[in-house]
Amino acid sequence: GAGVSQTPSNKVTEKGKYVELRCDPISGHTALYWYRQSLGQGPEFLIYFQGTGAADDSGLPNDRFFAVRPEGSVSTLKIQRTERGDSAVYLCASSLVLGGEQYFGPGTRLTVT
Amino acid sequence: QQQVKQSPQSLIVQKGGIPIINCAYENTAFDYFPWYQQFPGKGPALLIAIRPDVSEKKEGRFTISFNKSAKQFSLHIMDSQPGDSATYFCAASPSNTGKLIFGQGTTLQVKP
Repeated sequence: GAGVSQTPSNKVTEKGKYVELRCDPISGHTALYWYRQSLGQGPEFLIYFQGTGAADDSGLPNDRFFAVRPEGSVSTLKIQRTERGDSAVYLCASSLVLGGEQYFGPGTRLTVT
Repeated sequence: QQQVKQSPQSLIVQKGGIPIINCAYENTAFDYFPWYQQFPGKGPALLIAIRPDVSEKKEGRFTISFNKSAKQFSLHIMDSQPGDSATYFCAASPSNTGKLIFGQGTTLQVKP
């Protein structure tokens, strides 16, 4: 079956612009997670959803970052007023139930120039 | 207390060797410990995971050893192959959240 998909695969934007990153989880998975991975580092937790609600957004670095999952499936990570320090690979994962095995997508590489 | 410390940072073995990667944690609320394999330009792929009710788990050539009292766990790769060359991450979380805390990663090179 289809795995987690993320679009776009690459995004280049100018400092100060707004970007949206999309995640399509595995069908039927109720929990969805966002992580950020900087070069040479392990993924860093940002936020997770159980259904439609953000159960834990403690990893979001500041209020420029926001994520939604309005229908309990697809999620969008939104970054306002991008900064060069936001450049990283943004990874999405999903699991059948909260706390279950997480399956990652290929990531979106964001470059802020 | 939220950290997961992973070592070594890099590892080179000959084909057929048994690389061992170690991780240590502090938070006693962690009770789920997965290992992920990541190739360049790809997302992490789940290899194997363990919970603290067992001290060892094997899946194919991959084995996790878990020491609850020492708060340490390790990955062994039996009969390593050049195709195993990748970056490996350990992680930990409280199982009721799925909020994974990752180690810093180990870059493994298996020489033919």
